Amino acid sequence: GENVGLHLPTLSVQEGDNSIINCAYSNSASDYFIWYKQESGKGPQFIIDIRSNMDKRQGQRVTVLLNKTVKHLSLQIAATQPGDSAVYFCAEGDSSLGYQKVTFGIGTKLQVIP
Amino acid sequence: EAQVTQNPRYLITVTGKKLTVTCSQNMNHEYMSWYRQDPGLGLRQIYYSMNVEVTDKGDVPEGYKVSRKEKRNFPLILESPSPNQTSLYFCASSLTSGLSSYEQYFGPGTRLTVT
Repeated sequence: GENVGLHLPTLSVQEGDNSIINCAYSNSASDYFIWYKQESGKGPQFIIDIRSNMDKRQGQRVTVLLNKTVKHLSLQIAATQPGDSAVYFCAEGDSSLGYQKVTFGIGTKLQVIP
Repeated sequence: EAQVTQNPRYLITVTGKKLTVTCSQNMNHEYMSWYRQDPGLGLRQIYYSMNVEVTDKGDVPEGYKVSRKEKRNFPLILESPSPNQTSLYFCASSLTSGLSSYEQYFGPGTRLTVT
């Protein structure tokens, strides 16, 4: 969206460096977690998900880490590129409520410095 | 091309004038949902539907209605829009069975301004 980057935590990273985007979730009963990427003027796009029975999952250039003890989730992006500049949202869900009840965080804006 | 489409993309209207934002998906997904996105608040779920004729409230349903008469369509209705419904709206869809991931597919968004 055009102005959804306002009021957001911002992470600035040099091109080629690794990025780590953090997320604290609130519901101890949440058993699945999702990361979305939202580029300016577009809808969110799925990146990766992880179930609570895992603590790490890897995708293409991305890794999600889950620490249930402290209710913390992180998204690591390797070799960050200018195309990674976007707002990143974490989302949590409790499958006992039906997986469709997903709660999104406020997002983190990632700025890649060329 | 698999996609979720929304119309209109931009809409400026006045308080009290009924409007409908359409949403359509071509992936035969059972699940569809509406979200609104406001600065500093992330995406908040308005309504969702698990299948035809099955809808339920999300976290912020007040002032909105939905219907699901066909699997592919999930319109969002504002019977009497108010300025606090000025927002960016997203429709999303996904499968509900045989899940290998929790991915939702989002539309491009509808920017609504109510004056």
